[in-house]
Amino acid sequence: EPEVTQTPSHQVTQMGQEVILRCVPISNHLYFYWYRQILGQKVEFLVSFYNNEISEKSEIFDDQFSVERPDGSNFTLKIRSTKLEDSAMYFCASSEGGGQGGGYTFGSGTRLTVV
Amino acid sequence: LAKTTQPISMDSYEGQEVNITCSHNNIATNDYITWYQQFPSQGPRFIIQGYKTKVTNEVASLFIPADRKSSTLSLPRVSLSDTAVYYCLVGDKGSSASKIIFGSGTRLSIRP
Repeated sequence: EPEVTQTPSHQVTQMGQEVILRCVPISNHLYFYWYRQILGQKVEFLVSFYNNEISEKSEIFDDQFSVERPDGSNFTLKIRSTKLEDSAMYFCASSEGGGQGGGYTFGSGTRLTVV
Repeated sequence: LAKTTQPISMDSYEGQEVNITCSHNNIATNDYITWYQQFPSQGPRFIIQGYKTKVTNEVASLFIPADRKSSTLSLPRVSLSDTAVYYCLVGDKGSSASKIIFGSGTRLSIRP
């Protein structure tokens, strides 16, 4: 079964540092997403990406965040200057169609710990 | 996006059938109903999706009444490994809605 792959699985960084979380979506999927989940809380939408541009973003996705598809396979989330409250699980997802068509496939996540 | 309401938690025992009901009174004509499962420290996993009546796959069944204002996820003969959070989502299957939004879900605990 095709998978969404995320690296690293766990990253510890100092406050104020930049981090890049990496994702390899399923190869024939066209829509890509980042979500995050603070420990014990809901899964929160951050951003959706289609046709090499952001299609929608949440209030959480401020100027500290950026996404990029640097090549044909990777999809990255960059946090420019991390804050303690950025500590969370970050999930990448991809889907063949937009909306809820066909379901999203999520990766196993990157646990980001900001100290 | 239609609002959904589901129980915060449920408990059951191994071997039992578990039914989790979700209310979505404001569901729109184009909306589909989708259920996801999430284990601790893992990403949500798509379980099943439907529009009306009944849908069944190897994991679960989804029952949707004619008015579509609610839906029931049915897990047959649960095991300890079915302990997870289950999310009911309602939204347009088309490209007009470019994201899915998770609620609090139902925390299902299965006991021996």
